[in-house]
Amino acid sequence: DQQVKQNSPSLSVQEGRISILNCDYTNSMFDYFLWYKKYPAEGPTFLISISSIKDKNEDGRFTVFLNKSAKHLSLHIVPSQPGDSAVYFCAASARAGGTSYGKLTFGQGTILTVHP
Amino acid sequence: KAGVTQTPRYLIKTRGQQVTLSCSPISGHRSVSWYQQTPGQGLQFLFEYFSETQRNKGNFPGRFSGRQFSNSRSEMNVSTLELGDSALYLCASSLGLTANTGELFFGEGSRLTVL
Repeated sequence: DQQVKQNSPSLSVQEGRISILNCDYTNSMFDYFLWYKKYPAEGPTFLISISSIKDKNEDGRFTVFLNKSAKHLSLHIVPSQPGDSAVYFCAASARAGGTSYGKLTFGQGTILTVHP
Repeated sequence: KAGVTQTPRYLIKTRGQQVTLSCSPISGHRSVSWYQQTPGQGLQFLFEYFSETQRNKGNFPGRFSGRQFSNSRSEMNVSTLELGDSALYLCASSLGLTANTGELFFGEGSRLTVL
C-alpha cells in the first residue's frame, strides 16, 4: 500500500523556468511533510518542510504548497538551475499517532533534469 | 560540524552470510533511524533508536536487527542474507525522535550487494 505517491518518475525543465514536483498521499493521519533531494552516491538532503496547519512554506527558490482536502502537495523551484538536477523525494510523517507514527514514509521519487 | 557517517560504504556478501553496518550520527543527535532503499520499493523504514532503545520498527523480518550505544552510534545487522537484501542502507540522525522533529539528516549509505 503506497501511502505517498509521486506519479511522475521524471521531469525535464529548461534553466530559469519553474519546476513543479507533485506528491499525493492517502493517509489522513499525516500531518508533517518534507521534501528531500538526492544526488547519485549521496544520501538524501533535507530541502523544505510544511506542517498541516499551513498551506504554504517558502525558503528561497523553494516553495511547498499543501492542499489538505485534496491530500496533495507540490514543490515549486523558481528559477530552476542545472545544479537542481537530482532525484526529489516527498515524505510524510504522522506526529499524532497511527500506523505511520514516528517514521517518514517516502514517495518513489521524481528525477528532475534542468537543461542549460 | 561532521555529518552522519556510515561504514562500510560498499560491501559484497553471499547468500546465508550476515552483515553489520555502522552509523555515527551528527554530534549531539540522539536519534538514529535506518532506511532501506531499493529500486522497486523506494525508501522503507527499518527502525529507530533513541537513548539506546528501539522506539519504532518497520515491517521487516526478524533477520533485520539493530542497536544503539551510549554514544548514540548505531549498528544494524542482517542475518541469513537473501538476494533481495541487496540495497542501499541509509542511516539518518536527528536531535529528537522522528515523531517530534520530523527532519532527518541522512548519511551517504552503505551499498550492500548479495550474490
